[in-house]
Amino acid sequence: DAGVTQSPTHLIKTRGQHVTLRCSPISGHKSVSWYQQVLGQGPQFIFQYYEKEERGRGNFPDRFSARQFPNYSSELNVNALLLGDSALYLCASSLAGDYGYTFGSGTRLTVV
Amino acid sequence: RKEVEQDPGPFNVPEGATVAFNCTYSNSASQSFFWYRQDCRKEPKLLMSVYSSGNEDGRFTAQLNRASQYISLLIRDSKLSDSATYLCVVSPSNTGKLIFGQGTTLQVKP
Repeated sequence: DAGVTQSPTHLIKTRGQHVTLRCSPISGHKSVSWYQQVLGQGPQFIFQYYEKEERGRGNFPDRFSARQFPNYSSELNVNALLLGDSALYLCASSLAGDYGYTFGSGTRLTVV
Repeated sequence: RKEVEQDPGPFNVPEGATVAFNCTYSNSASQSFFWYRQDCRKEPKLLMSVYSSGNEDGRFTAQLNRASQYISLLIRDSKLSDSATYLCVVSPSNTGKLIFGQGTTLQVKP
């Protein structure tokens, strides 16, 4: 069985641009969460979606948005990129969004 | 103050040593507790959940003290393959959100 898959694996963008990151959860998992991990820090919660509804949002600006599709895959969008958005973006899926999270290998975003 | 605090280390220990990591959390409503392991440039992977009664998995023992809001991880007989960053994680009640500490880096040397 495939685990959590994220695409792309690496990405380089210029300040001010927009980026879309994608995540496919484990088959049967209905919840997807997004985390940002900057170098030297632990992952920080951005969003959680369950059954296509936003269940939680972390302390991130409105430039960050996400959605979950009927097949439970998810997109994270970041507008007007800043240098400080450079990080590893991790997606985690779980059955019901309360425990048993599995992380994908992440998308490494570099903003120049 | 950070919600979950860990000593970032690094902890440099010889093979076979016993090493302990500690973590404190600030939200008394935290319901679930975990230790994750993260290898360099990889995703975090669940090492073990942490229960008030304490739990053990092979060489790894985790303890939770709710009164002191303190979590620990003990690794006995360290192996080279234990070299990684260990992340302390708490999850507040009914949120589904994981709050990570900064991580503690362990380097086991021959």
